[in-house]
Amino acid sequence: DAEITQSPRHKITETGRQVTLACHQTWNHNNMFWYRQDLGHGLRLIHYSYGVHDTNKGEVSDGYSVSRSNTEDLPLTLESAASSQTSVYFCASSESFGYTTGELFFGEGSRLTVL
Amino acid sequence: SQQGEEDPQALSIQEGENATMNCSYKTSINNLQWYRQNSGRGLVHLILIRSNEREKHSGRLRVTLDTSKKSSSLLITASRAADTASYFCAKETSGSRLTFGEGTQLTVNP
Repeated sequence: DAEITQSPRHKITETGRQVTLACHQTWNHNNMFWYRQDLGHGLRLIHYSYGVHDTNKGEVSDGYSVSRSNTEDLPLTLESAASSQTSVYFCASSESFGYTTGELFFGEGSRLTVL
Repeated sequence: SQQGEEDPQALSIQEGENATMNCSYKTSINNLQWYRQNSGRGLVHLILIRSNEREKHSGRLRVTLDTSKKSSSLLITASRAADTASYFCAKETSGSRLTFGEGTQLTVNP
């Protein structure tokens, strides 16, 4: 069965360290997204990609970067982790239908704590 | 501010009762989707309604969309304890991106 997996599921790091969260999907979807979820804010879009070598900034992209070298993977990198980046991170993918999208398929989340 | 504002923020009902959650938004949309999230898990898609549709059904779920009022509602009929979860509306404005609301926490008491 097709799926979307995130790793690690839990990580504790220190301020200033670089952290990479992995996301791998086997749906063969062109669209991939990274969201963060914080209490009182719902899900906020960090970065997204419409296909290989395409990346775009979302509403809360400062301090984060992504790269898309193949269809299956969209790793999220925190260049220098800050305590404000303590959060639960969700990766999602979707199929393109012209200028619109279908449902998003979500991973199980990566809980990051920055001390 | 967040698009896709939902209310109530929390809802507690008894098994067998209906649960209604509402979602409002500010700008025009291509489609609006509802998702469910169990505690500690990822979001799961429930239903998608396009801007030219007014109502959709899926099992015990009924979603309505009123584009003139920029609002949508999710009705869960004959609720069960297993329906306890957070429910989010998400709207697509452009470019295949979804903007999520803050969600409604539904508790169904046995």
